[in-house]
Amino acid sequence: DQQVKQNSPSLSVQEGRISILNCDYTNSMFDYFLWYKKYPAEGPTFLISISSIKDKNEDGRFTVFLNKSAKHLSLHIVPSQPGDSAVYFCAASVGYGGSQGNLIFGKGTKLSVKP
Amino acid sequence: EPEVTQTPSHQVTQMGQEVILRCVPISNHLYFYWYRQILGQKVEFLVSFYNNEISEKSEIFDDQFSVERPDGSNFTLKIRSTKLEDSAMYFCASSDYNTGELFFGEGSRLTVL
Repeated sequence: DQQVKQNSPSLSVQEGRISILNCDYTNSMFDYFLWYKKYPAEGPTFLISISSIKDKNEDGRFTVFLNKSAKHLSLHIVPSQPGDSAVYFCAASVGYGGSQGNLIFGKGTKLSVKP
Repeated sequence: EPEVTQTPSHQVTQMGQEVILRCVPISNHLYFYWYRQILGQKVEFLVSFYNNEISEKSEIFDDQFSVERPDGSNFTLKIRSTKLEDSAMYFCASSDYNTGELFFGEGSRLTVL
């Protein structure tokens, strides 16, 4: 039962170009979404989040877009840098902060940014 | 920058043995979690802990698993009698009340032989 789906296991992008990572979800109760980045042998590192009351959140080179009607979110990285090469996980939860339920993770997308 | 620390980084154990994985969450955080990732699979929720009790647990978190916060700083995951399928990377995480961002440790790799 995949409540959070990342259908692209891998993505390769040229340095300086835009990276777009996609995520779909099935549970309409989810109202908080996060992106995590993970290097080998390290824990997931929080990147950016968005609550369901917004459709866009931006932090430097990272922007997350949420389309609630399509149950779809995407992470845009502009410009992409070789150091961005990692596995990116989409995660979702019901609730936020003190009332947050557990995070449901997607399977991840491995991003490779080529110099 | 505050971080979540986990020990050991790697533990090898025999099937049927007890294992304790330790975590020191970020000091002002109130919510604590264990997740695991079996090799090649997704990160899966095990348990969340708040106010000295379990607030939520998954189907994976059966009677073989337990958590406690014995001294107000460490947060431990105990597996009473390990099975081969418990081999995984175990991640501890913590968060504060006001945000939903979980901060993860670097993980403890458990290998059950």
